[in-house]
Amino acid sequence: QKEVEQNSGPLSVPEGAIASLNCTYSDRVSQSFFWYRQYSGKSPELIMSIYSNGDKEDGRFTAQLNKASQYVSLLIRDSQPSDSATYLCAVPFSYGNNRLAFGKGNQVVVIP
Amino acid sequence: AAGVIQSPRHLIKEKRETATLKCYPIPRHDTVYWYQQGPGQDPQFLISFYEKMQSDKGSIPDRFSAQQFSDYHSELNMSSLELGDSALYFCASSSRTGGEGETQYFGPGTRLLVL
Repeated sequence: QKEVEQNSGPLSVPEGAIASLNCTYSDRVSQSFFWYRQYSGKSPELIMSIYSNGDKEDGRFTAQLNKASQYVSLLIRDSQPSDSATYLCAVPFSYGNNRLAFGKGNQVVVIP
Repeated sequence: AAGVIQSPRHLIKEKRETATLKCYPIPRHDTVYWYQQGPGQDPQFLISFYEKMQSDKGSIPDRFSAQQFSDYHSELNMSSLELGDSALYFCASSSRTGGEGETQYFGPGTRLLVL
C-alpha cells in the first residue's frame, strides 16, 4: 500500500466551479500535510500546508484535515484556467527525517 | 523572496558518463532534499542533508552520491549513467528552526536526459 493515496482520475471542471481533491495517508502519527501544484515539466509549488484538524483557507484554496480518518482534501473555489495542473498531496514520513511521500497526483483541467 | 536555485537546468549525457547537479538552498535553510521524478511519476525521495550531514537516505542508487558543503549548497553526483536515470531531479530546502514545520520548497529542477 502506498503511503499516500490519491485515487481520482483526471478532473475536468468548468471555469468558476469548485474542484475537490482527496488524499488519504497511512501513517497515523503524521502531523503535517501539504498540497503542491505542479505544471507539466515544472517543479512542485507549495500552495497549502495544514497541521490541525479542520479547515484552513487561503484565497481560493481550502484544505480540510481529518486525522481520525487519515484524510486530507483540497478545494479550489472559482476555478480558473490557470489552475489547470497536477495537484500533489505530500506527507512527511514520521520516521524518515521529514522526507516527503507523495501521492500520484490529481490532474485538474479547468474548461473555459 | 529568494528561492532554491538549481544548476544546470538541462543536461544531456551519454550512457556510462557522469553528471553533477547542484543545488543552492533558500538562505538560512539548513536542510536539503533531493527527489527524482520520472515521466508521469510522483517525486521519489533520494537523500537529504541537515547541517552538512546526511540525515536520511531513500531509493538512491549506489552509483549516486551527494554531499552538502559548508555554505549549505549540495551536489548530487551521478556516475555510470543509465537510460533509466533520465528524469527531473528536484532539490528542496527547509529550515528546522524557521517555524514553518519544516515546509519544503522546491527548486526549478534539472532535466537530465541520458542517451
